[in-house]
Amino acid sequence: RKEVEQDPGPFNVPEGATVAFNCTYSNSASQSFFWYRQDCRKEPKLLMSVYSSGNEDGRFTAQLNRASQYISLLIRDSKLSDSATYLCVVRGNQGGKLIFGQGTELSVKP
Amino acid sequence: DVKVTQSSRYLVKRTGEKVFLECVQDMDHENMFWYRQDPGLGLRLIYFSYDVKMKEKGDIPEGYSVSREKKERFSLILESASTNQTSMYLCASTPLTGNYGYTFGSGTRLTVV
Repeated sequence: RKEVEQDPGPFNVPEGATVAFNCTYSNSASQSFFWYRQDCRKEPKLLMSVYSSGNEDGRFTAQLNRASQYISLLIRDSKLSDSATYLCVVRGNQGGKLIFGQGTELSVKP
Repeated sequence: DVKVTQSSRYLVKRTGEKVFLECVQDMDHENMFWYRQDPGLGLRLIYFSYDVKMKEKGDIPEGYSVSREKKERFSLILESASTNQTSMYLCASTPLTGNYGYTFGSGTRLTVV
């Protein structure tokens, strides 16, 4: 079993749609959680951290359920510019090493 | 802003060459990492380092070595490049403690011919 598993993609949605990405992690001792965004042929960039109470940044909402070891990302009113691969990332208890999911590709169409 | 700088965006090397990929960060981070990324395989950890002169193998260290002589610099070395090492190489850094993510460099796309 992979340490971090994400929904398989790709997700193809129209502009304005709401899209949700799900992710599960296997190590219950994991400390920190993140969503990264990666554009084609570019490096991953931090989209947002994920906190236990849930957090929102504009159209983006992240949720964490430690009991179920489940992380989610909701994008509302999707834009063409949201097209990218979204990576679920978990920081364990071994120094600073991050564990990456395989990523889910999102394509927003006009 | 934290900056992680990789020395080259694109490299083309011949099979059997020794290849050096350089990474420099300017925020005094203890941890530095080298990944490769290939379509369908995601990010795979090659080596990482928690401190100067310290190194740890990641998931796919074979065919690679690393050097960390200074805190800000972490070098990846392909001792004898092979075509299956054609890939995107990403360097990242993060503080040793705290709930921080990585900052990545912009990547080096290496082609071995």
